[in-house]
Amino acid sequence: GNSVTQMEGPVTLSEEAFLTINCTYTATGYPSLFWYVQYPGEGLQLLLKATKADDKGSNKGFEATYRKETTSFHLEKGSVQVSDSAVYFCALGRDSNYQLIWGAGTKLIIKP
Amino acid sequence: GAGVSQSPRYKVAKRGQDVALRCDPISGHVSLFWYQQALGQGPEFLTYFQNEAQLDKSGLPSDRFFAERPEGSVSTLKIQRTQQEDSAVYLCASSPFGGTYEQYFGPGTRLTVT
Repeated sequence: GNSVTQMEGPVTLSEEAFLTINCTYTATGYPSLFWYVQYPGEGLQLLLKATKADDKGSNKGFEATYRKETTSFHLEKGSVQVSDSAVYFCALGRDSNYQLIWGAGTKLIIKP
Repeated sequence: GAGVSQSPRYKVAKRGQDVALRCDPISGHVSLFWYQQALGQGPEFLTYFQNEAQLDKSGLPSDRFFAERPEGSVSTLKIQRTQQEDSAVYLCASSPFGGTYEQYFGPGTRLTVT
């Protein structure tokens, strides 16, 4: 079946460090892939997405590339800020009903 | 503009009680989703509406769970005879169209069953 696996947290980094949060997936067909972010006390927000192989999604300095050969969609940012502290969720979409299938989330803590 | 709102934000229920959780989607949004999120986990799909039609309820964990959206706007998720394993955050999301992943999430209702 379809599933998403992402690296366990918390991930703790210093400000201006390089960030990678790994995400791999198992799916039949060609799913769409997403990263959502949940800031403390707020609802889930779409961060970026990619709908086909080799697409790169980007937003707010974050990037992720849809790699079909490695079934991965790793999230990266070149220089993190304290305000990036949040929980990040990787998800895939099933075209049959547009539901999202989620990873367990990775908590990111950025220290000044 | 107003986002997705959910009420109550927190609910404590004694085991065996019935609860009703409300979702007010963004006005005019066609699609509405309910998800269940256990502590430390990602959300899990419960059910999907397009307007008033419940197109998929395959994620509802038992027949104690029931969702409705009678006029194609506000939705209610009802849980009968609550059990401790129902403790979770219940998330509602809406989408402007059918057949799209563009989902806007509410803040969730945290249900604790004692």
